[in-house]
Amino acid sequence: DAGVIQSPRHEVTEMGQEVTLRCKPISGHNSLFWYRQTMMRGLELLIYFNNNVPIDDSGMPEDRFSAKMPNASFSTLKIQPSEPRDSAVYFCASSFASGDEQQYFGPGTRLTVT
Amino acid sequence: GENVEQHPSTLSVQEGDSAVIKCTYSDSASNYFPWYKQELGKRPQLIIDIRSNVGEKKDQRIAVTLNKTAKHFSLHITETQPEDSAVYFCAASIGGGFKTIFGAGTRLFVKA
Repeated sequence: DAGVIQSPRHEVTEMGQEVTLRCKPISGHNSLFWYRQTMMRGLELLIYFNNNVPIDDSGMPEDRFSAKMPNASFSTLKIQPSEPRDSAVYFCASSFASGDEQQYFGPGTRLTVT
Repeated sequence: GENVEQHPSTLSVQEGDSAVIKCTYSDSASNYFPWYKQELGKRPQLIIDIRSNVGEKKDQRIAVTLNKTAKHFSLHITETQPEDSAVYFCAASIGGGFKTIFGAGTRLFVKA
């Protein structure tokens, strides 16, 4: 298995632009998590899905952030419009909730908003 | 809301010494406690986890203990090696497929 796949790996964009981050979970996993990591705030859970349904989005910082999971093999995190304070590493992770429960992290997307 | 506190934020030890990282959680419903290691520029990776029906778990040089009454859990690394240098995160959840709250992380330096 290729593990959790994220794209792009690096994204540099100007303030005000729309940013879309993509994630492909491990095949067979039924839970998907989006995290944001910064030096100041550490590793924050933004939103998570079970069986493609958003369960808790209380970590989403503002209405500028939205996430979707149209099917079991794909999820997106969108920021519109982006701001410099959104600069961070965004990780996607997946797990099999009824199995070993371990969350497997993707390589992350390093977002820089100028 | 749910919270996980982690101490210390930085830990420096001599190679061969032991390292201990401690965490406290607030949600009494938490029953799954994973520990992740994150090397510089890489993704967090699970190193060990423990469930609430177990008080201690060991895997070679790494051990984790859990005190549910006090809502404390700790990571113990024995015979530390330079390659153990990384940031370590504790976390708590009601199950691996559910909301997971991470501690702030401990940056461990192992000096050769």
